[in-house]
Amino acid sequence: QQQVKQSPQSLIVQKGGISIINCAYENTAFDYFPWYQQFPGKGPALLIAIRPDVSEKKEGRFTISFNKSAKQFSLHIMDSQPGDSATYFCAARASNTGNQFYFGTGTSLTVIP
Amino acid sequence: NAGVTQTPKFQVLKTGQSMTLQCAQDMNHEYMSWYRQDPGMGLRLIHYSVGAGITDQGEVPNGYNVSRSTTEDFPLRLLSAAPSQTSVYFCASSYSLLGANYGYTFGSGTRLTVV
Repeated sequence: QQQVKQSPQSLIVQKGGISIINCAYENTAFDYFPWYQQFPGKGPALLIAIRPDVSEKKEGRFTISFNKSAKQFSLHIMDSQPGDSATYFCAARASNTGNQFYFGTGTSLTVIP
Repeated sequence: NAGVTQTPKFQVLKTGQSMTLQCAQDMNHEYMSWYRQDPGMGLRLIHYSVGAGITDQGEVPNGYNVSRSTTEDFPLRLLSAAPSQTSVYFCASSYSLLGANYGYTFGSGTRLTVV
């Protein structure tokens, strides 16, 4: 059973557009929410993360929006570029199981020029 | 700094064979974990360790063993390989800040095929 549900599975966006990826969870022990970016043949790399006491965090073109009451969070990529084409994973840290991270199923983003 | 080093990068096993996937980190990180990545399934936690001598099971531990005798090394053992264990395996490590884990550094992965 997937503890973090991620959508969409794939996403195609025009260069300059906004990419939006959504995640939802139920486990109230989750207390930290990172996003990872993975290029083909590489391991995932930490992109940006948010704590649940903050509703939004922005780093450059990447923004996380967090809705604690709805148990949902999303990644927005502004001014999407072809170099952003990758697979994106949301994750959640469980404070009651050794501070381990549980991942969503991933979103394959393609930014077309 | 080498970061998280996984060996081998590719491996083909026959059903029933055993093998060990190696993972080493040179960042003195307390946390280490093994994940498997399968299409449509994302990354699933196999086993993890919060320090030398301490290991615990994740979401999908069956068929795998781990040990953590040193801070640097966290090998993953496949006891009797099955085709269902065909996957890409990632090792990851993280530092502990006041006991909390703020996100993993991943290795480059081992692509395992069991025939």
